[in-house]
Amino acid sequence: TQLLEQSPQFLSIQEGENLTVYCNSSSVFSSLQWYRQEPGEGPVLLVTVVTGGEVKKLKRLTFQFGDARKDSSLHITAAQPGDTGLYLCAGTFGGGADGLTFGKGTHLIIQP
Amino acid sequence: GAVVSQHPSWVICKSGTSVKIECRSLDFQATTMFWYRQFPKQSLMLMATSNEGSKATYEQGVEKDKFLINHASLTLSTLTVTSAHPEDSSFYICSAPPQARETQYFGPGTRLLVL
Repeated sequence: TQLLEQSPQFLSIQEGENLTVYCNSSSVFSSLQWYRQEPGEGPVLLVTVVTGGEVKKLKRLTFQFGDARKDSSLHITAAQPGDTGLYLCAGTFGGGADGLTFGKGTHLIIQP
Repeated sequence: GAVVSQHPSWVICKSGTSVKIECRSLDFQATTMFWYRQFPKQSLMLMATSNEGSKATYEQGVEKDKFLINHASLTLSTLTVTSAHPEDSSFYICSAPPQARETQYFGPGTRLLVL
């Protein structure tokens, strides 16, 4: 069983601050995805990373994939109340169309 | 992006009855779809892989006779929870990767409450 650790599980910060969420595994990911989920809804894809060392930006969100493809991070700059939500990292390990292994998620609250 | 729908969005049923949940890929074909379950305050757990034209594969600990999966076409997979019990109450979510790519797009989920 592949394990995927995500931290922190809970984070509450003030508007305007920066934050980073981490996702780690002892195994090599074939791909890793970050999702955001609102209560009562399905996860919405933010980004997919597949290449070691890859960096992708989505407005104030920066996603990094470790060189060894065992870890990833999500960095939010100048967080806003609209960023509040559950952030999930999920990875595949076998390549192809495999089911995703999810981290426990990070519940993020941005206080105005 | 790719769109995946689910129906119904929520269902309440009595203990012992069966409930069918549909997952459709609206603008792409999917030879493989996935079913996940999410309990309150927890993350998603993969239940099974639905394969068009062949049997589904189930994750360890998921009873295949209780959670029947049928991948009837390249755009439709159904999950039937048979003889539902209160402990089956959960949020069921499906996903599908377009053209067997690794990125998966999720449906909006189905909330099941078994009384």
